[in-house]
Amino acid sequence: ETGVTQTPRHLVMGMTNKKSLKCEQHLGHNAMYWYKQSAKKPLELMFVYNFKEQTENNSVPSRFSPECPNSSHLFLHLHTLQPEDSALYLCASSQGEYTDTQYFGPGTRLTVL
Amino acid sequence: KQEVTQIPAALSVPEGENLVLNCSFTDSAIYNLQWFRQDPGKGLTSLLLIQSSQREQTSGRLNASLDKSSGRSTLYIAASQPGDSATYLCAVRYGGSQGNLIFGKGTKLSVKP
Repeated sequence: ETGVTQTPRHLVMGMTNKKSLKCEQHLGHNAMYWYKQSAKKPLELMFVYNFKEQTENNSVPSRFSPECPNSSHLFLHLHTLQPEDSALYLCASSQGEYTDTQYFGPGTRLTVL
Repeated sequence: KQEVTQIPAALSVPEGENLVLNCSFTDSAIYNLQWFRQDPGKGLTSLLLIQSSQREQTSGRLNASLDKSSGRSTLYIAASQPGDSATYLCAVRYGGSQGNLIFGKGTKLSVKP
């Protein structure tokens, strides 16, 4: 276990649903990240938070809305998603932003019908 | 455009064989390079981190090398075991300490008993 947990592990939702992904890190890190991993594509960075402040939004559509209430928790709120949004969503954390090794959670496998 | 390429996409070897995984990057001005392992349906585990000033890093049966001038890194696995079966991802950090990780698509390794 890496010290980063994600829930749920699997999620199936319709295009009109609203759902949220949760990430929690128990490592005392200050930076947290959301990544998207689609089939046949490299891992893509979506958002970065450092000390609860968003420092990076990698041109992500507004149907994905992140929230970081504190340094230990990170959420990804989903609404009106498209089938092409189906992917593995990975959360990671690191002690400092960018410079340190990132520790990844197990991911949430999302299927949009 | 900064890209990371991993060849081959998949590799199957018999147990006990030594093997090399390749990673190439288009821009040699990297900050550091990381190798990750990803087991099916799971998150990433960091294996080795090489700073731009270093030539190699070793951990157990793993050895990663970095040649910035040629834009290449290799991950050497000695005496492979079935438990080494996983997807191995290479990620490059560009743009100094504030750059994001750029991932390759990975090499899926299968070690046959």
